[in-house]
Amino acid sequence: GAVVSQHPSWVICKSGTSVKIECRSLDFQATTMFWYRQFPKQSLMLMATSNEGSKATYEQGVEKDKFLINHASLTLSTLTVTSAHPEDSSFYICSALTGGFYEQYFGPGTRLTVT
Amino acid sequence: DAKTTQPPSMDCAEGRAANLPCNHSTISGNEYVYWYRQIHSQGPQYIIHGLKNNETNEMASLIITEDRKSSTLILPHATLRDTAVYYCIVRVGVQGAQKLVFGQGTRLTINP
Repeated sequence: GAVVSQHPSWVICKSGTSVKIECRSLDFQATTMFWYRQFPKQSLMLMATSNEGSKATYEQGVEKDKFLINHASLTLSTLTVTSAHPEDSSFYICSALTGGFYEQYFGPGTRLTVT
Repeated sequence: DAKTTQPPSMDCAEGRAANLPCNHSTISGNEYVYWYRQIHSQGPQYIIHGLKNNETNEMASLIITEDRKSSTLILPHATLRDTAVYYCIVRVGVQGAQKLVFGQGTRLTINP
């Protein structure tokens, strides 16, 4: 199946700093990628839909100025958490659509800890 | 997209068939049923999807009732590695409406 990678797999940053998470589709081109957030013992919450070459669409309640998404190529989308706070500590997961729209492939996730 | 209801947890003995139910009584005619699973601290993994007919692949079988208001995911010979949270998701199967909305899922524990 299609492979999606994320980098880094985990990151620790200080409060007030920014951190960038990369999501790559390794063996296919993805015009659409999605970003999710998952807190411990909770389900995945969709944050935004990222389309190559256009602005991301954010879900209600997600601050677009805090979670910057860039989808500059067909294989790469980035999520930047700006001015991170401890409450931003979470598991961030991306996914990508293959050419066929039925299957959405997920990355392994990035665990962010803000101290 | 239609709402789904799943039991919060289930147990199954290793080697037995695991049958995971999902209720989607408000599903509409153009909505597909998808199943994903998430093993601890990993990204979700696609399992199977269907519209009306029963489906089978190398991982599982999906049985959808005739009225499409419920479905069952069957893992025919569960192993310890099948311990995970299983999500049943209903979504419209058309271009431009691909986002998945995850519910709470069923935490399946396979016991030796």
